[in-house]
Amino acid sequence: KAGVTQTPRYLIKTRGQQVTLSCSPISGHRSVSWYQQTPGQGLQFLFEYFSETQRNKGNFPGRFSGRQFSNSRSEMNVSTLELGDSALYLCASSIAGTSYEQYFGPGTRLTVT
Amino acid sequence: SQQGEEDPQALSIQEGENATMNCSYKTSINNLQWYRQNSGRGLVHLILIRSNEREKHSGRLRVTLDTSKKSSSLLITASRAADTASYFCATEGTSGTYKYIFGTGTRLKVLA
Repeated sequence: KAGVTQTPRYLIKTRGQQVTLSCSPISGHRSVSWYQQTPGQGLQFLFEYFSETQRNKGNFPGRFSGRQFSNSRSEMNVSTLELGDSALYLCASSIAGTSYEQYFGPGTRLTVT
Repeated sequence: SQQGEEDPQALSIQEGENATMNCSYKTSINNLQWYRQNSGRGLVHLILIRSNEREKHSGRLRVTLDTSKKSSSLLITASRAADTASYFCATEGTSGTYKYIFGTGTRLKVLA
């Protein structure tokens, strides 16, 4: 089975722009979670989706949003980028929710200049 | 905020030795997962242990969970240079929180 894929792998944006990141879960997985990883804050939870419904959202400003499509693919969007948004964004999929093994993708490295 | 705290923060051992890293957390959990991360890449899932389990094995990995002490440990036996990585624990709280809280990680270096 193919693993979790994330696109793009690397991205450079300037402050004020917006960005959309994509995550394709493992086939058959219905839950997708997003995390932000920075050297200072470590891994921080962004949101979790299951069957197109957001079930939880982390403590991030409203500039961070996401959605999940009927095929379980997920996107996250960050509007009005700030320098502090530079991070590795990771998505994880699981077969039926967070009580199961979470499999992570390789991440998208976002640099905001 | 970080719920899990890994200990030690960094560990350096010789190939063939065992490596033990610990994770402590603050609130009741449904389950705990251990991950490995190489050089800022994606996380590789190692083991999931549920709150009603005390020990699990996978190859050279052994994970224990003590819910009374709110702690878990990961033991890697007969370590190899390829085990060099950062190791994280992640906990899912009870009552359908639908998220994991990650620890700060242990950086393991295995010397050949």
